Amino acid sequence: QVQLVESGGGVVQPGRSLRLSCVASGFTFSSYGMYWVRQAPGKGLEWVAVTWYDGRDKYYADSVKGRFTISRDNSKNTLYLQMNSLRVEDTAVYYCARERGKIWGQGTLVTVSS
Amino acid sequence: EIMMTQSPATLSVSPGERATLSCRTSQSVSSNLAWYQQKPGQAPRLLIFDASTRATGIPARFSGSGSGTEFTLTISSLQSEDFAVYYCQQYNNWPPTWTFGQGTKVEIK
Repeated sequence: QVQLVESGGGVVQPGRSLRLSCVASGFTFSSYGMYWVRQAPGKGLEWVAVTWYDGRDKYYADSVKGRFTISRDNSKNTLYLQMNSLRVEDTAVYYCARERGKIWGQGTLVTVSS
Repeated sequence: EIMMTQSPATLSVSPGERATLSCRTSQSVSSNLAWYQQKPGQAPRLLIFDASTRATGIPARFSGSGSGTEFTLTISSLQSEDFAVYYCQQYNNWPPTWTFGQGTKVEIK
């Protein structure tokens, strides 16, 4: 069964850090680019970051550049998002998605609040 | 940066009627455009990619058209399960970034 499962969300204070994980199964993880997309409560979808299949190429939305780091461990079929210096406006459901958008995880909620 | 504009923001349609959703980009994206459906509490679901190709398992009542900067998603005869929010998305070949429109909510009239 092809699926992505995110974890690591929770409530965190502004300025703190959090790491999200996304475990892939049912497909050859190392052959695909992988994305993080977020959705603030009641808002639309916002692309956050992408890492290409080998992890060498990474790109970020301006809103998270310098604070978030995307990475992957192909030996563990796992995608990560390290989020530092979190802000209230980073509060959102964070989804991982496979290249071409055919596969998405169920999302994990990150709440940044004092 | 490519800007995406979807219209209308909300579309009120009766079951069985046709729905036409529009997506405009600020510069040409060729056919690198997808449409997603999202229901409350669920992840987005890919409907259309490459502007007009239905994803696996998507009913034939969903169709996409357009290229360049003007795109349309048509739902030929709305079913109860089609009431949702629809997003268009452009994807660059390289760098492989994504941009989403702000969404169109299709609601029951």
